[in-house]
Amino acid sequence: DQQVKQNSPSLSVQEGRISILNCDYTNSMFDYFLWYKKYPAEGPTFLISISSIKDKNEDGRFTVFLNKSAKHLSLHIVPSQPGDSAVYFCAASGSGGGADGLTFGKGTHLIIQP
Amino acid sequence: DSGVTQTPKHLITATGQRVTLRCSPRSGDLSVYWYQQSLDQGLQFLIQYYNGEERAKGNILERFSAQQFPDLHSELNLSSLELGDSALYFCASSVAPVSGANVLTFGAGSRLTVL
Repeated sequence: DQQVKQNSPSLSVQEGRISILNCDYTNSMFDYFLWYKKYPAEGPTFLISISSIKDKNEDGRFTVFLNKSAKHLSLHIVPSQPGDSAVYFCAASGSGGGADGLTFGKGTHLIIQP
Repeated sequence: DSGVTQTPKHLITATGQRVTLRCSPRSGDLSVYWYQQSLDQGLQFLIQYYNGEERAKGNILERFSAQQFPDLHSELNLSSLELGDSALYFCASSVAPVSGANVLTFGAGSRLTVL
């Protein structure tokens, strides 16, 4: 049973436009949500996170929105740049801090077209 | 360089064999996590150690085992290997905060191919 779902395996966006990556979850006990970015032959790297008590968190070109009632979150990248081409993973954890590992989605491959 | 070191980077072996994957966590991190990424799959949580003790177990097969040593490095042992064990194995570490988002730092992974 997949608790974190990324339903789009891939997404193609033109350079300069907005990229929107979506993620749904089923476990209402999740308290923190994180986005990771992964380039080929490298490990995932942390991008941005959001607590369940917030509905938005922004860091430069990256903004994460959380709709708790819909159990849905999205990552917005504005403007999209060629270096943003990567696989993006959505992840979630409970409120146990270090006692909780992360549950990941299967990832969305973002391709930024020139 | 994320600060999490995994060896070997690549490993090719035969079915029925046993391998050991090694991970050195980022300096100061007490918690180590192992994840498996198979083709078209997300990152599947295997096991977590905190300061030498097992903290949580995920979808880890009985043929797999892990440990964390006093110097905090960790090893993942995979035995009686099957073709389906071919995957990328990632190690991650974190400071394991008492509360708040648990941000994991990942190594570059060990790619295991079982022939």
